[in-house]
Amino acid sequence: EAQVTQNPRYLITVTGKKLTVTCSQNMNHEYMSWYRQDPGLGLRQIYYSMNVEVTDKGDVPEGYKVSRKEKRNFPLILESPSPNQTSLYFCASSWGQGKGITDTQYFGPGTRLTVL
Amino acid sequence: RKEVEQDPGPFNVPEGATVAFNCTYSNSASQSFFWYRQDCRKEPKLLMSVYSSGNEDGRFTAQLNRASQYISLLIRDSKLSDSATYLCVVNSLTGGGNKLTFGTGTQLKVEL
Repeated sequence: EAQVTQNPRYLITVTGKKLTVTCSQNMNHEYMSWYRQDPGLGLRQIYYSMNVEVTDKGDVPEGYKVSRKEKRNFPLILESPSPNQTSLYFCASSWGQGKGITDTQYFGPGTRLTVL
Repeated sequence: RKEVEQDPGPFNVPEGATVAFNCTYSNSASQSFFWYRQDCRKEPKLLMSVYSSGNEDGRFTAQLNRASQYISLLIRDSKLSDSATYLCVVNSLTGGGNKLTFGTGTQLKVEL
């Protein structure tokens, strides 16, 4: 089954404790990205990657890191989480950057993170 | 001004009603447009792409007006299962390449 998986799905942590949210896709997609979703603000892109070893900042990259060592995996790293990073996080993948009308973004199920 | 703006709703409509959502975008260089559906606490899923000439998929019709920079979604014969948040998504060409911008969503509640 074609899918994007994220782990963990729920996480409660404390300020400053490093954490990693994993993302994996089995569709051989080149493009992957991370979003956060907050009430009233919609989905905002954190980082994206157009291919292996190529990553770039989105709209809200501060406090986050990513890596793309393999095509299928795109982990999100919070080196020192803070309460303002409490949010719902989605990983997504697609063939391209949404340029074509067929470039559907496939989203993972989401990770609900609470930083105390 | 937000890049993509939607009326947040909620739109409460009876089953069988026709309901329309609008979305405006600010970047005239926007290239492609989509409607996504998001159920409560779930991931967004593509509902339909929006073509320049307008397009229909069953009870759903999407329209694009480039001159006025707005997109619309019409749902006919609403079902209870249509209750969800509908996200307007715009792809624009920026200095850094293509960029997808999501609206904050319009919430629809279909009632008996």
